[in-house]
Amino acid sequence: GAVVSQHPSWVICKSGTSVKIECRSLDFQATTMFWYRQFPKQSLMLMATSNEGSKATYEQGVEKDKFLINHASLTLSTLTVTSAHPEDSSFYICSARKVVSGGYEQYFGPGTRLTVT
Amino acid sequence: QKEVEQNSGPLSVPEGAIASLNCTYSDRGSQSFFWYRQYSGKSPELIMSIYSNGDKEDGRFTAQLNKASQYVSLLIRDSQPSDSATYLCAVNMNTGFQKLVFGTGTRLLVSP
Repeated sequence: GAVVSQHPSWVICKSGTSVKIECRSLDFQATTMFWYRQFPKQSLMLMATSNEGSKATYEQGVEKDKFLINHASLTLSTLTVTSAHPEDSSFYICSARKVVSGGYEQYFGPGTRLTVT
Repeated sequence: QKEVEQNSGPLSVPEGAIASLNCTYSDRGSQSFFWYRQYSGKSPELIMSIYSNGDKEDGRFTAQLNKASQYVSLLIRDSQPSDSATYLCAVNMNTGFQKLVFGTGTRLLVSP
């Protein structure tokens, strides 16, 4: 397997403030990481694909100026939710792609639960 | 047609039985297939990957792939209550950048 960590595991912030979430691959290098959001009892929704050293690719409907992604190293990607609002409250999960024999495997971090008050 | 389809369930099986979870996908060129387990309130955990036709076994889990039928399944033998979770099928579509496309998941309930 492989280990991906996320920090913080949960955060409460006030409306209008910004929150940064870190995602780290602990025992492998990840050229590519992914950011997902999941609302209660709903499916995973891919927000963006993060590539080391280049700009992230955002899914349709995801505001890139609101969800800033930086992938500065092969083991770290960050997601910053800017000017957060209550509707941004959700479970944010990162995932890192690992090269394996036969192709790739994707491992998820434990997630960050964001509550905006 | 959805890219990756799963029955949402719940699939209910008694403890000790075999649970069979199914998934179909639309892209015939897909090469990589994965099963994730997600407990309520937690993130997905990779439990099986399969790349070629046939069966792949890992402990109580067996993944089965049939590319001609565009079908992948997961069998859980000797099901335990702790196996109760949502199982997500994911397919690495043979398009563009190669990102995983997830099914909506099948909820499995194993009763003692």
